[in-house]
Amino acid sequence: SQKIEQNSEALNIQEGKTATLTCNYTNYSPAYLQWYRQDPGRGPVFLLLIRENEKEKRKERLKVTFDTTLKQSLFHITASQPADSATYLCPTDTGRRALTFGSGTRLQVQP
Amino acid sequence: DAGVIQSPRHEVTEMGQEVTLRCKPISGHDYLFWYRQTMMRGLELLIYFNNNVPIDDSGMPEDRFSAKMPNASFSTLKIQPSEPRDSAVYFCASSPLTFRGEQYFGPGTRLTVT
Repeated sequence: SQKIEQNSEALNIQEGKTATLTCNYTNYSPAYLQWYRQDPGRGPVFLLLIRENEKEKRKERLKVTFDTTLKQSLFHITASQPADSATYLCPTDTGRRALTFGSGTRLQVQP
Repeated sequence: DAGVIQSPRHEVTEMGQEVTLRCKPISGHDYLFWYRQTMMRGLELLIYFNNNVPIDDSGMPEDRFSAKMPNASFSTLKIQPSEPRDSAVYFCASSPLTFRGEQYFGPGTRLTVT
């Protein structure tokens, strides 16, 4: 069955560093990937969408890459801040517009 | 736009009672999704609608759960009778008809069944 795995449950980094989160997918050839952020007690917030024919997408301090050969998407937050601390999710698409969310990666940025 | 609106934000009820959760999607969005989130099971899709028509309800846990979308601006998720294991945060999300449209989530309803 198709699957996306995020490389770790938790990631701790120092403020100012670049955070890199990874999604690896198997048995799955997505036409696009989405990244969301979720803060405790709140609903997920859409951040970025990258299509399979796009190598890279940027939004302010955020950057997403999509490597269809490695079957991997990387999500970078440059000049990280404590306010970036949250859980980041890369859901799979069932092919019918519904998304399946995993548990995500919990990012903690230390001041 | 006000975003996706859910009510109530918190609901505490006793086992056996009927619970109705409400959602107003973003105007103009064609898709509406209901999710449930718990620590144990994460974020689960329950059901979703396209143009007010249910497309996939395979995530609905059992017959005690039902969802309706009588018009483009309103949806309900009903649990009858409620059980303690239904305690969770229920999210509604809507999505526009764009290329694999991103989803916009509401603030959620925290349900506690005692």
